[in-house]
Amino acid sequence: KNQVEQSPQSLIILEGKNCTLQCNYTVSPFSNLRWYKQDTGRGPVSLTIMTFSENTKSNGRYTATLDADTKQSSLHITASQLSDSASYICVVSAGYALNFGKGTSLLVTP
Amino acid sequence: ETGVTQSPTHLIKTRGQQVTLRCSSQSGHNTVSWYQQALGQGPQFIFQYYREEENGRGNFPPRFSGLQFPNYSSELNVNALELDDSALYLCASSFMGSGGELFFGEGSRLTVL
Repeated sequence: KNQVEQSPQSLIILEGKNCTLQCNYTVSPFSNLRWYKQDTGRGPVSLTIMTFSENTKSNGRYTATLDADTKQSSLHITASQLSDSASYICVVSAGYALNFGKGTSLLVTP
Repeated sequence: ETGVTQSPTHLIKTRGQQVTLRCSSQSGHNTVSWYQQALGQGPQFIFQYYREEENGRGNFPPRFSGLQFPNYSSELNVNALELDDSALYLCASSFMGSGGELFFGEGSRLTVL
């Protein structure tokens, strides 16, 4: 069964600090891995998409890594801002089918 | 702004009723997919349409059905509503062959009483 597990479930950090979110998956066949940011009550917004051959990809203060051998990915947020407070969802695709994690809820406090 | 619009934004139905949710894709996109997101959960893939044909489906019963129109807008229909159908329904559009970048709408919040 295809599964995407994210950790931690929730996280609170101080503004300006860095944090790292984790994603472990058992999805086959692997097509790509995506990270989305979802503000409460809004639709998800794409941060990064990585294929099998990519190890790292950045989008501003967001940097995603992928280890296809261990089937793990991480999303690192640098110099967090209050606007980073959201749910971060890891999505692993197998062909047309997308497998979503439950997300990590991040709260950035002043 | 992703250019994907969904309507209605909120609606309330009673058990057993039927509902239709609508989605207008981003200009130039030929693929639309629908997702159900229960409170506190990640989205669950319902189905995908490409050029007006369903070309992928998740683990949802037949009472969840859809349509894609020639202008690539789409509908999600749910018959015989159940309490567990209460969720945020998300639509996403993309261009098949572009690497799969999805653009999500803001969702339709359905409450079944």
